[in-house]
Amino acid sequence: DQQVKQNSPSLSVQEGRISILNCDYTNSMFDYFLWYKKYPAEGPTFLISISSIKDKNEDGRFTVFLNKSAKHLSLHIVPSQPGDSAVYFCAASVTGGGADGLTFGKGTHLIIQP
Amino acid sequence: DAGVTQSPTHLIKTRGQHVTLRCSPISGHKSVSWYQQVLGQGPQFIFQYYEKEERGRGNFPDRFSARQFPNYSSELNVNALLLGDSALYLCASSHSGTQNYGYTFGSGTRLTVV
Repeated sequence: DQQVKQNSPSLSVQEGRISILNCDYTNSMFDYFLWYKKYPAEGPTFLISISSIKDKNEDGRFTVFLNKSAKHLSLHIVPSQPGDSAVYFCAASVTGGGADGLTFGKGTHLIIQP
Repeated sequence: DAGVTQSPTHLIKTRGQHVTLRCSPISGHKSVSWYQQVLGQGPQFIFQYYEKEERGRGNFPDRFSARQFPNYSSELNVNALLLGDSALYLCASSHSGTQNYGYTFGSGTRLTVV
């Protein structure tokens, strides 16, 4: 049973527009959430994270929103740039629960169209 | 500074064989985690080691084992290889042994079992 779900395998967005990537989770014990970006032949690269005590975290063009009641988070990228084309993974964790590692979704392939 | 280095980058093994994958963490990082990424899926947690002790284990059979050395490098061993073990194996290092953030991933080892 997938505890972290990214229901859109791919997303195509025009350059300059907003990209919105969605993620849902089922385990109410998760209290820390992360987004990773992955290019082919490279390991995942950390983008941005959010603790469950917040509902929004911003870092430059990237903003993550968390809706705890809906068990839903989203990553907004604005404006989208060609270099943003990659696979984006949502991951969840129990703080202090290093023993359980990160639980990842299947990823969303973001394609930025010129 | 060198990032997380993994070796080899690619290898092909036959069913039933044994394989050893290696990981060198970022200098100063004392925690190493291993993840398996099967095609089309997100990374799945296998092990975490901190200060040479196993701190966490994911839902993998006993054919999978790991260890961490005094210099904090790590090995992942898989015995009696199955076709389903074909995957990208990712190593991640971090300062902390208890928190699931601050991970830096290596580029991975692509294992193909034939």
